[in-house]
Amino acid sequence: QQPVQSPQAVILREGEDAVINCSSSKALYSVHWYRQKHGEAPVFLMILLKGGEQKGHEKISASFNEKKQQSSLYLTASQLSYSGTYFCGTEVYGGATNKLIFGTGTLLAVQP
Amino acid sequence: EPEVTQTPSHQVTQMGQEVILRCVPISNHLYFYWYRQILGQKVEFLVSFYNNEISEKSEIFDDQFSVERPDGSNFTLKIRSTKLEDSAMYFCASSFLDRGNTEAFFGQGTRLTVV
Repeated sequence: QQPVQSPQAVILREGEDAVINCSSSKALYSVHWYRQKHGEAPVFLMILLKGGEQKGHEKISASFNEKKQQSSLYLTASQLSYSGTYFCGTEVYGGATNKLIFGTGTLLAVQP
Repeated sequence: EPEVTQTPSHQVTQMGQEVILRCVPISNHLYFYWYRQILGQKVEFLVSFYNNEISEKSEIFDDQFSVERPDGSNFTLKIRSTKLEDSAMYFCASSFLDRGNTEAFFGQGTRLTVV
């Protein structure tokens, strides 16, 4: 089952914050976050493994609520370079190898 | 920085023709994957490959598809008889481990257009 992301799209001004959510109907082993710019490959941002884990990468951080089968990506003080489509990729328990099921995607546009 | 490379970047083919998409994964990686992305849609898992055999495949990966690691460096995806709906961006990815704290590195993709 494909994870559902919300919102589908968000428009920000530089310096504003955004939260992107990823929800799964299945128990999650891990959540991977990727950003994809138009016409390019997805670029890895971070992995969250344990329930309650939080990670940060510059001004982008994420949390993983294993019980709720959810993850959230937090972008603070957004920059123009943050524009792109954000995908969560989920690994479910019982799945073999690093089979990522990607979410529906969230289009983020940061304007000057 | 090591990267996954894919060739060609664009491929146009006639319906019914066979195509082979090529990938060179990162050299010390052990797990290889193909994903595809139809224009404007999400990235979809096709197949994973380890130790010279398929580990897992999705419903999309039917008998028309095959993968091969013909030598120590290349990883290929073959579509035997292409259909219009095979038009998509195909991404190859590789990782060192299969689970855990390991990221999948994606190549730049091959845009396949079936006419």
